[in-house]
Amino acid sequence: EAQVTQNPRYLITVTGKKLTVTCSQNMNHEYMSWYRQDPGLGLRQIYYSMNVEVTDKGDVPEGYKVSRKEKRNFPLILESPSPNQTSLYFCASSPRSPNYGYTFGSGTRLTVV
Amino acid sequence: QQQVKQSPQSLIVQKGGISIINCAYENTAFDYFPWYQQFPGKGPALLIAIRPDVSEKKEGRFTISFNKSAKQFSLHIMDSQPGDSATYFCAASSFTSGTYKYIFGTGTRLKVLA
Repeated sequence: EAQVTQNPRYLITVTGKKLTVTCSQNMNHEYMSWYRQDPGLGLRQIYYSMNVEVTDKGDVPEGYKVSRKEKRNFPLILESPSPNQTSLYFCASSPRSPNYGYTFGSGTRLTVV
Repeated sequence: QQQVKQSPQSLIVQKGGISIINCAYENTAFDYFPWYQQFPGKGPALLIAIRPDVSEKKEGRFTISFNKSAKQFSLHIMDSQPGDSATYFCAASSFTSGTYKYIFGTGTRLKVLA
């Protein structure tokens, strides 16, 4: 089944404790992106990657890091999480560009206390 | 100028009625306008999309109407069903100076009453 897989689905952590949310797609998509979803704010792009080793900032990149060492994987790293990073996170992928439409993962609900 | 303004925030429609959700944008560089449907606990799923060279696109009960001069586009759900109850997001995308911009609206929570 063609899909974007995120792990974990739920995560509660403490301020300052480094964490990684994994994302993997099995569709050979070139374009991958991370979004956060907050009530009343919709989905805001954190980082995106147009291909292996090519990443760039989205609209809300502060406090996040990403890497794209393999085509299928695009992990999101929070080096020192803070409570304002409590949110619902989605990884998404698209064949060549987002103008072909995204396939989203099921989301990761992160709580930072 | 990068915002996409979506309205209404929530919408209640009777079964069989027409649901209409509107979006407006400012950036004339946007050239791809998708709609996504999101059920609770799931990621958004692409529903239908339009490019600015056409004024309307229909897929089943879902229609996008696009008004380039007004910089507005809307989603119409005909014969709305309880199974359509979900949150709907519009988006707009552009590719300029080697960078994609993909901006989502703030979402509309639709409830269709049986």
